[in-house]
Amino acid sequence: DTEVTQTPKHLVMGMTNKKSLKCEQHMGHRAMYWYKQKAKKPPELMFVYSYEKLSINESVPSRFSPECPNSSLLNLHLHALQPEDSALYLCASSLLAGGRNTGELFFGEGSRLTVL
Amino acid sequence: KQEVTQIPAALSVPEGENLVLNCSFTDSAIYNLQWFRQDPGKGLTSLLLIQSSQREQTSGRLNASLDKSSGRSTLYIAASQPGDSATYLCAVSGNTGKLIFGQGTTLQVKP
Repeated sequence: DTEVTQTPKHLVMGMTNKKSLKCEQHMGHRAMYWYKQKAKKPPELMFVYSYEKLSINESVPSRFSPECPNSSLLNLHLHALQPEDSALYLCASSLLAGGRNTGELFFGEGSRLTVL
Repeated sequence: KQEVTQIPAALSVPEGENLVLNCSFTDSAIYNLQWFRQDPGKGLTSLLLIQSSQREQTSGRLNASLDKSSGRSTLYIAASQPGDSATYLCAVSGNTGKLIFGQGTTLQVKP
């Protein structure tokens, strides 16, 4: 099973709302990632978790708050977002994070976020 | 700083043609290179992963090559089909722990 599952597929929220994006994988991967993708652009890295610990934060605004409750789950908590945060949010996982043994990255289908 | 470039940005071919997508990177100190496919509004699907010690990888009608010393990779698609229409992204992984993406090549295969 080489699947990364993301929910919800679509999310519309106001600037004062609090919502969460969820990601799950059962491949035994110990690295999980959040990416943001705008239309016609490549994905941009936001966060990397390695062994459930945050290892990379690409200077993402604090209105985005990641959480890794266990090795299979990754959440992205959203609060007080701006319209420019509207994008496709992609979760990915790999065997390990960084280094020669990172392995292949597997992506989910994404959560399409619209901020009104 | 690693930079990844993909040429061309867009490509339109008739069905049945063999085609080559190009990817170049500025820093040859990579651990691996990965090719992805992305359909509109969807996630990325991994096509091929080439480790830095490898020269090529094949999967079905796809063949990816890697020349680390010259900073180049190509993705060869044989006998293209309309279902191959998508955006193809290459990405390299190095000692920063981050995957650096190219801008992608959008392929259209016409029936």
